[in-house]
Amino acid sequence: NAGVTQTPKFRILKIGQSMTLQCTQDMNHNYMYWYRQDPGMGLKLIYYSVGAGITDKGEVPNGYNVSRSTTEDFPLRLELAAPSQTSVYFCASRDRGKGNNQPQHFGDGTRLSIL
Amino acid sequence: DAKTTQPPSMDCAEGRAANLPCNHSTISGNEYVYWYRQIHSQGPQYIIHGLKNNETNEMASLIITEDRKSSTLILPHATLRDTAVYYCIVSGGATNKLIFGTGTLLAVQP
Repeated sequence: NAGVTQTPKFRILKIGQSMTLQCTQDMNHNYMYWYRQDPGMGLKLIYYSVGAGITDKGEVPNGYNVSRSTTEDFPLRLELAAPSQTSVYFCASRDRGKGNNQPQHFGDGTRLSIL
Repeated sequence: DAKTTQPPSMDCAEGRAANLPCNHSTISGNEYVYWYRQIHSQGPQYIIHGLKNNETNEMASLIITEDRKSSTLILPHATLRDTAVYYCIVSGGATNKLIFGTGTLLAVQP
């Protein structure tokens, strides 16, 4: 299994441009999550999904959109890039499992700079 | 805000046990304690989790106090590769969202 795969690994955007960060997992996990991590800080939850067709906001959703049309994919869209969105973005997934306490598995991240 | 309190940094000699403390005095009955670590700028790596019993796996042991208000992650024989930021997180419920604090930077010294 490849686990959680994020593309691209690095990207530089100009202010006002848009882009989609891709995330795919091959573990048939129901739950998927998007986080951002600013320098020296912990991860903050942007959006999450409990299954195909279902998404919900996390702590810091402003400026982002998501969709979940399949179990495998959970893309994150930036419509109008702003310097404040310069960050490292991590995608994660987890199985529900018995007791709903399975851990999250993380991708390697996308490093995004907006200039 | 994170529901846990961890020291910002700790040192450990290579080959010795590393004991990382975490306070979670407001933990709810259905919340688990999870430990992750992040090496440099890689994605967080899951280590171990538990509800109320002590847990052990190939990476570490987790000791949870009887009142569940604190826990300790034990790396039995720390190596230089264990140098990382360690996050203690309490989470539970239907969505099991993780709220990260700033963690403990463990520096393993040769």
